[in-house]
Amino acid sequence: GDSVTQTEGLVTVTEGLPVKLNCTYQTTYLTIAFFWYVQYLNEAPQVLLRSSTDNKRTEHQGFHATLHKSSSSFHLQKSSAQLSDSALYYCALSDEDTGANTGKLTFGHGTILRVHP
Amino acid sequence: EAAVTQSPRSKVAVTGGKVTLSCHQTNNHDYMYWYRQDTGHGLRLIHYSYVADSTEKGDIPDGYKASRPSQENFSLILELASLSQTAVYFCASSRDWGGNTLYFGAGTRLSVL
Repeated sequence: GDSVTQTEGLVTVTEGLPVKLNCTYQTTYLTIAFFWYVQYLNEAPQVLLRSSTDNKRTEHQGFHATLHKSSSSFHLQKSSAQLSDSALYYCALSDEDTGANTGKLTFGHGTILRVHP
Repeated sequence: EAAVTQSPRSKVAVTGGKVTLSCHQTNNHDYMYWYRQDTGHGLRLIHYSYVADSTEKGDIPDGYKASRPSQENFSLILELASLSQTAVYFCASSRDWGGNTLYFGAGTRLSVL
């Protein structure tokens, strides 16, 4: 089956320094869509980034990620972490074929990002 | 305005009791989902639906039933609540299957004692 792996359960970084959250995957889908969702404390998860194009950088709210099918990765990065970035981050993938019955979104276990002064 | 609304926001239930979690969406989406969130497991799909009066099993359906009486409403039912069902439950909707963004409700924190 499909799987998404987020290797770190917790990432701690100092404000102003770069941060990287790792995400790798295994899938048999031919066309895939990748997501990063962010969940702030006591709030609902919300989409942060979406990509389905290999080797194309996607950016939003200062974060960026590039889907690399060659290495099965979709890491999330930011050049300068802010205190307000502290949250739970989920990586997820789905089959992009809307006609398929395998379009279910598969989530990783999540990574907590803590940014401290 | 919140487009996916869940009720109640929190609930305490007794073991063996019946629990119903409700979800209402105004996104005009066909797809609705129930996820369970547990530390160390992330978000896991319980049930989903793509049309009124029909529901499908997700990855962890055991112990849960779902009901979709209309496009806007989707309920999760625990007929006999158990301790292991203590978790945060999220409802979500999406326009379509496959590659589409999910829009989540604020969640329901369920404690089974």
